[in-house]
Amino acid sequence: LAKTTQPISMDSYEGQEVNITCSHNNIATNDYITWYQQFPSQGPRFIIQGYKTKVTNEVASLFIPADRKSSTLSLPRVSLSDTAVYYCLVGGGFKTIFGAGTRLFVKA
Amino acid sequence: DTGVSQDPRHKITKRGQNVTFRCDPISEHNRLYWYRQTLGQGPEFLTYFQNEAQLEKSRLLSDRFSAERPKGSFSTLEIQRTEQGDSAMYLCASSRSDQGSYEQYFGPGTRLTVT
Repeated sequence: LAKTTQPISMDSYEGQEVNITCSHNNIATNDYITWYQQFPSQGPRFIIQGYKTKVTNEVASLFIPADRKSSTLSLPRVSLSDTAVYYCLVGGGFKTIFGAGTRLFVKA
Repeated sequence: DTGVSQDPRHKITKRGQNVTFRCDPISEHNRLYWYRQTLGQGPEFLTYFQNEAQLEKSRLLSDRFSAERPKGSFSTLEIQRTEQGDSAMYLCASSRSDQGSYEQYFGPGTRLTVT
């Protein structure tokens, strides 16, 4: 399974756009890229998944360059409630490997 | 859709005791997963069921751990002879096989403290 590298933590202010980049140099042809969000004392929550180019849903966008060796999760106009840990996962099949994630702190 | 539920939410036990946790997945989900999460780390995969069949078991799962999903619905995770190192959050997740395999729905977890 491809290993992922994310920043350990990021700070932002309310109303700003936040971009979290994940590196996955060893991504395989069949691998998808998935992002989860986790609040303290809760299970992770699926945010978005993509294979290439750009994917957008009601909460986030995922940008994947042509070489697929990295991906960027974009959160538009964050609020205090977006303070959480964000995990980037790469792979296929059922065996889900989480890294340590990126701790996002949104300040007022 | 009532979501994935887990019981109990918290469990305190003494070292050497056995504990059992229950997970009720979303009703139409045929895949079920167990994870363990310690403070500051991401969830670690433990095991996976498709219907009642346990198809994968992590090497992290020692012989003291056993999981079942007898009728392909709820699942139980038992830890025998608990050790202090077993203290963690135990998470259950479920998904449908016709969804992307990473779109899993997680329960709130069971926090285990071994004293």
